[in-house]
Amino acid sequence: EAAVTQSPRNKVTVTGGNVTLSCRQTNSHNYMYWYRQDTGHGLRLIHYSYGAGNLQIGDVPDGYKATRTTQEDFFLLLELASPSQTSLYFCASSDGTGNYAEQFFGPGTRLTVL
Amino acid sequence: AQSVTQPDARVTVSEGASLQLRCKYSSSVTPYLFWYVQYPRQGLQLLLKYYSGDPVVQGVNGFEAEFSKSNSSFHLRKASVHWSDSAVYFCAVIPYNNRIFFGDGTQLVVKP
Repeated sequence: EAAVTQSPRNKVTVTGGNVTLSCRQTNSHNYMYWYRQDTGHGLRLIHYSYGAGNLQIGDVPDGYKATRTTQEDFFLLLELASPSQTSLYFCASSDGTGNYAEQFFGPGTRLTVL
Repeated sequence: AQSVTQPDARVTVSEGASLQLRCKYSSSVTPYLFWYVQYPRQGLQLLLKYYSGDPVVQGVNGFEAEFSKSNSSFHLRKASVHWSDSAVYFCAVIPYNNRIFFGDGTQLVVKP
């Protein structure tokens, strides 16, 4: 069974705070993704990676950094959090694009920036 | 650029009724097409996918979807909905040689 886990599940921080969201997948997948989900916007891609040390910019990267330390681990960093970054964050993994593109999602992290 | 559109933000149906959730895509070639479901407080789960062949594809829990090249659509259907089908449904596409794009989702409410 494919597995993507995220931590923490809930996080509250203040404006200007430093936040790291963690994602681990045990699927042996090459691709990992970070999305944010907001009402009226669906899922928006922040960053993604196709392997350790690789980082690709998504559609809404401003204010976010990411780092893929291993094939399993992908981190999302908010170094100066702002209220506009209050959202539900999902991590996902996939074996690639095309025929192997099914994405497996984690349970999400709800971030509140006060 | 938006490659997929779900025109209905919310759909309400009665339990036992049939269902259609609409999805339109924009692509010069047939993309890979997916439907995902998100139950409350959970991540997205794959319902079904289409790559080629028979335009009607079967998914889990009695869901099916029909691909139409002429209409650039991939609508999701179910013959008889159950209250447990209440969730948010996302259509997603992978245009040729590109990455996945998700629609904004359709909230399905099943009334008892």
